[in-house]
Amino acid sequence: AQSVTQLGSHVSVSEGALVLLRCNYSSSVPPYLFWYVQYPNQGLQLLLKYTSAATLVKGINGFEAEFKKSETSFHLTKPSAHMSDAAEYFCAVSLNNNDMRFGAGTRLTVKP
Amino acid sequence: DAGVTQSPTHLIKTRGQQVTLRCSPKSGHDTVSWYQQALGQGPQFIFQYYEEEERQRGNFPDRFSGHQFPNYSSELNVNALLLGDSALYLCASSWEYNEQFFGPGTRLTVL
Repeated sequence: AQSVTQLGSHVSVSEGALVLLRCNYSSSVPPYLFWYVQYPNQGLQLLLKYTSAATLVKGINGFEAEFKKSETSFHLTKPSAHMSDAAEYFCAVSLNNNDMRFGAGTRLTVKP
Repeated sequence: DAGVTQSPTHLIKTRGQQVTLRCSPKSGHDTVSWYQQALGQGPQFIFQYYEEEERQRGNFPDRFSGHQFPNYSSELNVNALLLGDSALYLCASSWEYNEQFFGPGTRLTVL
């Protein structure tokens, strides 16, 4: 069965610094991979997804992620953090773009 | 387009009671999935409905059941509530196997 592991339940960066949120996946076949963001008291918003096309995926709000099969990773990055990026981020994996398995989440704090 | 809507926003029940949560999908979507998100955890897949049938199910007991109506809206029913059922319940809609759009969720508290 497919699964994801998010390394670090809490990441803190300064405004303007690089954001790096780590996600490793486990899947027996090439998966679909997703990053979602959740603001307090809200649902999930899709940041980006990997569907076996380009390995470097660009998403909304300046985020991007790189699919590395050799490392089974799909880390999320943003060159320069903004205060509005503070939220909970979830990595997810799916075999058919439907039954998604989510990680435990990483809370991003941005310090002024 | 109103997006995915869920009702109610919050709900308080006591152990042993039954609860029904509702979801209206985004316009043009025919598939509805339900997730349970316990505090401090990621969402867990409960089940998915397509063409009024349960197409896929996660590792949840039979106390969790659902329904999809001809207009694609959906209900999640939970019987014999346990304290551990307290969570945020998220509904997501999609068109067949395409991207899922999530609603704001229903916060269920079981006392």
